[in-house]
Amino acid sequence: KQEVTQIPAALSVPEGENLVLNCSFTDSAIYNLQWFRQDPGKGLTSLLLIQSSQREQTSGRLNASLDKSSGRSTLYIAASQPGDSATYLCAVGAFGTASKLTFGTGTRLQVTL
Amino acid sequence: SAVISQKPSRDICQRGTSLTIQCQVDSQVTMMFWYRQQPGQSLTLIATANQGSEATYESGFVIDKFPISRPNLTFSTLTVSNMSPEDSSIYLCSVLGFGGAPNEQFFGPGTRLTVL
Repeated sequence: KQEVTQIPAALSVPEGENLVLNCSFTDSAIYNLQWFRQDPGKGLTSLLLIQSSQREQTSGRLNASLDKSSGRSTLYIAASQPGDSATYLCAVGAFGTASKLTFGTGTRLQVTL
Repeated sequence: SAVISQKPSRDICQRGTSLTIQCQVDSQVTMMFWYRQQPGQSLTLIATANQGSEATYESGFVIDKFPISRPNLTFSTLTVSNMSPEDSSIYLCSVLGFGGAPNEQFFGPGTRLTVL
């Protein structure tokens, strides 16, 4: 059974700092990995999707990497802003059931002024 | 990305009653799902809503408790039956197979349910 862990559980950084969020998964036979952000009391916003054949994806100030063999993904946020404050979730889709996502526990990020 | 709406956005219900949550997508999608997010927890998949046939439930979830309908490619409902306080959660629908992102899941805004 796939298990997804995110470290740290919470993080507070000053505005402008670059930061890295970590996601690890126990079964490396994944189809893809998706990063989301969730604002308090709201739904999920898709940030980046990485297919298993890819090493990284970039969107604006966000860069996500994938190392399948070690069961790890990182989300890099450059020049953080207060508007980046949210909970960040990673989710993996497995081969054969790619549509079924297994979610991590999330990292709650606060960017302070 | 798909525009996904859910109704109601939130509700407070008495134990023993049922609530039906609607999920509407602005275009046809291949697959629709229902997730639950209990307080302080991450998301757990309840079931895949299959168009024109019975939903496929994950371990720990049963049709009698969470009946699901999907009459067409843009709409689905989830009913939470005979509710108890343990059912207090955010319920989210998601879709797959939209436009140029066939492998990317998009989520609705969620329905926050409180059971007293």
